[in-house]
Amino acid sequence: SQQGEEDPQALSIQEGENATMNCSYKTSINNLQWYRQNSGRGLVHLILIRSNEREKHSGRLRVTLDTSKKSSSLLITASRAADTASYFCATDEGYSTLTFGKGTMLLVSP
Amino acid sequence: SAVISQKPSRDICQRGTSLTIQCQVDSQVTMMFWYRQQPGQSLTLIATANQGSEATYESGFVIDKFPISRPNLTFSTLTVSNMSPEDSSIYLCSVGDLIRAEQYFGPGTRLTVT
Repeated sequence: SQQGEEDPQALSIQEGENATMNCSYKTSINNLQWYRQNSGRGLVHLILIRSNEREKHSGRLRVTLDTSKKSSSLLITASRAADTASYFCATDEGYSTLTFGKGTMLLVSP
Repeated sequence: SAVISQKPSRDICQRGTSLTIQCQVDSQVTMMFWYRQQPGQSLTLIATANQGSEATYESGFVIDKFPISRPNLTFSTLTVSNMSPEDSSIYLCSVGDLIRAEQYFGPGTRLTVT
């Protein structure tokens, strides 16, 4: 069963703008991971945030985690057309298996 | 991160037949998993491929339909048996990094059943 729910389901922005995607989940987790998928191809691992962390950065990516609200957000700053993809959050409840959310489709227009 | 390859990258199969998907990793890994992504959907875990023992299947997936082999720490296969159009999906293998806890995915196998 799916645990994460991404919001919004689809997001359309212009190049240079920031994109924010949210993920909510239902149970306690060990960590939460964000992935990118281009046109139904393989998943690219973006960032992992552990349950005892509140914020992590990687390049133009910023991830936050609020375990009290069971939610996470992914911020992509200064977006580029190449950022157009589907973005998924996935939670690890401690068994090393991942439960994926439904994903957010991001379209960045030149 | 580990480099993961899958074969075939895509296939079109007749209903009632079976397809075996291979997953090869460039380094020894403890954890290997198989996921399914149905059209327009998110990923669902099929099973954990255990080296030297039977795979651990998630609810809704059974060994007769999705037999899995894991002969060593770098290789696994997933067979989709007696296929129907509902099996049309992308099948992805992944490996887990026990130290960093990150999970990496192969490029996927796009299966179409006609």
